[in-house]
Amino acid sequence: EPEVTQTPSHQVTQMGQEVILRCVPISNHLYFYWYRQILGQKVEFLVSFYNNEISEKSEIFDDQFSVERPDGSNFTLKIRSTKLEDSAMYFCASKGTGVNTEAFFGQGTRLTVV
Amino acid sequence: AQKITQTQPGMFVQEKEAVTLDCTYDTSDQSYGLFWYKQPSSGEMIFLIYQGSYDEQNATEGRYSLNFQKARKSANLVISASQLGDSAMYFCAMREGLIQGAQKLVFGQGTRLTINP
Repeated sequence: EPEVTQTPSHQVTQMGQEVILRCVPISNHLYFYWYRQILGQKVEFLVSFYNNEISEKSEIFDDQFSVERPDGSNFTLKIRSTKLEDSAMYFCASKGTGVNTEAFFGQGTRLTVV
Repeated sequence: AQKITQTQPGMFVQEKEAVTLDCTYDTSDQSYGLFWYKQPSSGEMIFLIYQGSYDEQNATEGRYSLNFQKARKSANLVISASQLGDSAMYFCAMREGLIQGAQKLVFGQGTRLTINP
């Protein structure tokens, strides 16, 4: 069964450092997403990407965040200067074009900023 | 205002019993979709079931069914014959604007379900 793959599964970084979280969405999907889940809290939408551009972003997704689909298969989330409060589980998701299709989530990257 | 409300932070159920996890939602859209995801302790998000706003029948997927009451804006998940492996966090989510837009999911706070042997 096709799946969304995220790497790394866990990343520890120093405050102020840049991190890149990587995702390989399901190959025939056209909608890509990043979500964030702070420990013990609900899953929050960060950004959606369609047709090679951001289609929507939340207020969380400020200038320190960026997304890229550099080669047609990978989908990356870059956090430019990490803060302690960026510590969370980051989920990548992808979705096909059908109106009632579910989003498939990756297994998540746990980011710890120290 | 919360778009998705899950009022049960935790539920404890005996194995083999049925369990209902509550979810209410708030939207002014006519077209929307409701989803349930399971998050075990390992952290991944597993899709369980989907209900479209125009679907007349309640969705069912194996032991999972969705009790959709549109007028009350509720979409409760029913798990029949619960198993120990059902112990997990369960999230209700809504997608507004099924035809256009980012089609992002908005999640509730979740319900932690514990199945006791």
